[in-house]
Amino acid sequence: EAGVAQSPRYKIIEKRQSVAFWCNPISGHATLYWYQQILGQGPKLLIQFQNNGVVDDSQLPKDRFSAERLKGVDSTLKIQPAKLEDSAVYLCASSLYGSPGNTIYFGEGSWLTVV
Amino acid sequence: GQQVMQIPQYQHVQEGEDFTTYCNSSTTLSNIQWYKQRPGGHPVFLIQLVKSGEVKKQKRLTFQFGEAKKNSSLHITATQTTDVGTYFCAVNTGNQFYFGTGTSLTVIP
Repeated sequence: EAGVAQSPRYKIIEKRQSVAFWCNPISGHATLYWYQQILGQGPKLLIQFQNNGVVDDSQLPKDRFSAERLKGVDSTLKIQPAKLEDSAVYLCASSLYGSPGNTIYFGEGSWLTVV
Repeated sequence: GQQVMQIPQYQHVQEGEDFTTYCNSSTTLSNIQWYKQRPGGHPVFLIQLVKSGEVKKQKRLTFQFGEAKKNSSLHITATQTTDVGTYFCAVNTGNQFYFGTGTSLTVIP
């Protein structure tokens, strides 16, 4: 079974530039998550989709971050304009459903450095 | 969002020593999951605990869910260098997953 696919793996941009990350979840998984993990910290949930609807985006900095999952399958996360503090690993994950008890499967992550 | 604290933040042990990390929640949990993240890697699911007082074992790893379902522990017996990484607990509130602050384990050969 194919895992969660993410691209690009690594990205270096200057501050105030924009960047987009792509994620393709495990086939059949209804729930998709984007997490931000700053070095030395635990993953922080940015946004959670159930099919193509948003379940939770309370921690998404909406003035610069946006995410979509138009057809309920793959998803993109965009940052515009980027700030230095956005340097982190952006982890996409999926699960069958978002309900308690479902295991989350993570992709390899997209490493962003903002200079 | 959900507050989940883990202690200690860092732990250095000699190979062969035991290791324990604790996860504490401010609210009663329906279940708790544990993940391991190797340096440079992504979190990988280890186990899920659901019942009050539940204890599960995976080889040298023992996972426990508190009686009040507000805390959990992960104990590793006789650590090996392959145990190096950060161990996270993760909890559900409603349909959202929140991760703890993590415990970074270093094993000294």
